[in-house]
Amino acid sequence: DQQVKQNSPSLSVQEGRISILNCDYTNSMFDYFLWYKKYPAEGPTFLISISSIKDKNEDGRFTVFLNKSAKHLSLHIVPSQPGDSAVYFCATPGRRALTFGSGTRLQVQP
Amino acid sequence: GAVVSQHPSRVICKSGTSVKIECRSLDFQATTMFWYRQFPKKSLMLMATSNEGSKATYEQGVEKDKFLINHASLTLCTLTVTSALPEDSSFYICSATGGEWTYGYTFGSGTRLTVV
Repeated sequence: DQQVKQNSPSLSVQEGRISILNCDYTNSMFDYFLWYKKYPAEGPTFLISISSIKDKNEDGRFTVFLNKSAKHLSLHIVPSQPGDSAVYFCATPGRRALTFGSGTRLQVQP
Repeated sequence: GAVVSQHPSRVICKSGTSVKIECRSLDFQATTMFWYRQFPKKSLMLMATSNEGSKATYEQGVEKDKFLINHASLTLCTLTVTSALPEDSSFYICSATGGEWTYGYTFGSGTRLTVV
């Protein structure tokens, strides 16, 4: 039973446009969420996080939005760049470790 | 920032042999280390959690005798895949956390294991 779900396995956008990656979770008790970016054959790198006391957190081109009532969060990347092409995972801390979504592969077309 | 070094990055071994993967925290003391496994086009699945000086806690379905974890110090943890089989071929990633930032998980660069 997936506690964190990313229903879109892939997304393709044009350079300069906005990329929106979505994540849904099942447990309303989750209170912290993280987004990671992963290139092939590399470990994930931390991008941005959000606490449940906020509904938005912004860091440069990256903004994460949290809708607690819908149990939904999204990562916005604007403007998208070809170097953003990677797999993006949302995650939440569990009892012992991070629980990851299945990932969304973002392809930014030049 | 916190850095986790993982070696080797790639390894090919014969069936029946054992392979050791090292995970080191370079600039912080990792009280807890995690080992993940990623199958192609799949998410990262937690295999085990290791606290320095204690026995590792394995997730359901992960054989502790197959995947030996030794958290020898606050900066070094190893995962040994014993009697490796082709189905053990995967991408293994370690993660470490420690200090005050509870959610500060730093990941290693991963190890691509191929068992032939």
